[in-house]
Amino acid sequence: QKEVEQNSGPLSVPEGAIASLNCTYSDRGSQSFFWYRQYSGKSPELIMSIYSNGDKEDGRFTAQLNKASQYVSLLIRDSQPSDSATYLCAVNLGVYNFNKFYFGSGTKLNVKP
Amino acid sequence: DAGVIQSPRHEVTEMGQEVTLRCKPISGHDYLFWYRQTMMRGLELLIYFNNNVPIDDSGMPEDRFSAKMPNASFSTLKIQPSEPRDSAVYFCASSFLRGPNTGELFFGEGSRLTVL
Repeated sequence: QKEVEQNSGPLSVPEGAIASLNCTYSDRGSQSFFWYRQYSGKSPELIMSIYSNGDKEDGRFTAQLNKASQYVSLLIRDSQPSDSATYLCAVNLGVYNFNKFYFGSGTKLNVKP
Repeated sequence: DAGVIQSPRHEVTEMGQEVTLRCKPISGHDYLFWYRQTMMRGLELLIYFNNNVPIDDSGMPEDRFSAKMPNASFSTLKIQPSEPRDSAVYFCASSFLRGPNTGELFFGEGSRLTVL
């Protein structure tokens, strides 16, 4: 079992819709959770981090964390064609391994004009 | 401020040749990570350093791979001898981590390696 699992997609949504991206992780001791965006041919860049259960909003992006279910999600409201990219979920491995980050394989999002 | 700088951006080599990838982290960052990305396996952590010391190299696939960080501003990842299955994009990332609730990684542009 991989440490971080994501549906590879592609996930296609029309412009203006809500895109919902999901991620599960295996280590119950994980403390920190991140969403990175990676455009084709580019490097990953951080868009959201979340450390406690619940929702965290930043502009059009909302990260949701449920530690009991070991589940992290990212909602993108009012999706734009410029949001088309691969979204990587990243997790650290607990209090004593917080420096070690594992990434999911990514979900490719296509936003259609 | 300059970001993480990697070189070369592209490398094409023949099987059996030695490959050296280089990374300059962001000044002041004390953690440096080497990742490899392929379509099949995604982004894999190979090794990471803290204050120039290798902390965890459990992700290094084989003895053909080695990494060094001789000082705070330079790291290398070496593959000797290279094989076609090593073809991937290799990313270097740096960070300034201070506990479980921190953790933005800043990635370089990557080095795309093709081994023929």
